[in-house]
Amino acid sequence: DAGITQSPRHKVTETGTPVTLRCHQTENHRYMYWYRQDPGHGLRLIHYSYGVKDTDKGEVSDGYSVSRSKTEDFLLTLESATSSQTSVYFCAIGGTVTYNEQFFGPGTRLTVL
Amino acid sequence: DAKTTQPTSMDCAEGRAANLPCNHSTISGNEYVYWYRQIHSQGPQYIIHGLKNNETNEMASLIITEDRKSSTLILPHATLRDTAVYYCIGTGSARQLTFGSGTQLTVLP
Repeated sequence: DAGITQSPRHKVTETGTPVTLRCHQTENHRYMYWYRQDPGHGLRLIHYSYGVKDTDKGEVSDGYSVSRSKTEDFLLTLESATSSQTSVYFCAIGGTVTYNEQFFGPGTRLTVL
Repeated sequence: DAKTTQPTSMDCAEGRAANLPCNHSTISGNEYVYWYRQIHSQGPQYIIHGLKNNETNEMASLIITEDRKSSTLILPHATLRDTAVYYCIGTGSARQLTFGSGTQLTVLP
């Protein structure tokens, strides 16, 4: 398995509180991604990074920010969590053959009450 | 990205070949066809991808029609552990993967 870890794996928080999810890789991949998965919507891209300090928005970026200060870590922040952000969040890293050969982490289940 | 169409669900007997179809009639010449699967509650897993030629790896085979409007993922000897949602994705983007609803494959004992 690709060396990807996500923390925390589960989190329950209240509406209006800030939340940061961490994705850590040991593969030295340039590309990293954050997705969310909800029933009826499949996986949707939130943000991605193509290098240290280089990030761009995905399909559902509103309400989320990201940071990447070093190659191995990609942080996803919900500045003020809302109930609509209750979801399972997956981090992924790009493959070595093509950028679309992505390897996914185990996921973080976030519940916003 | 190309729009893809897959059956909602399929069953397959354990030990038999599982053939999962995908239509991608709008795929453009530089877009690859990717297959991923997601076993319940786990992160998606890359399976295989191709452009024009048929491809095979240790997990599966990918058959792409000559006109590239459809493809079939073949799991040669399905096991219970192959029960998962299988996603067919057509993309030429260097950074985007657009997941649809996929096909729920259930391997029956």
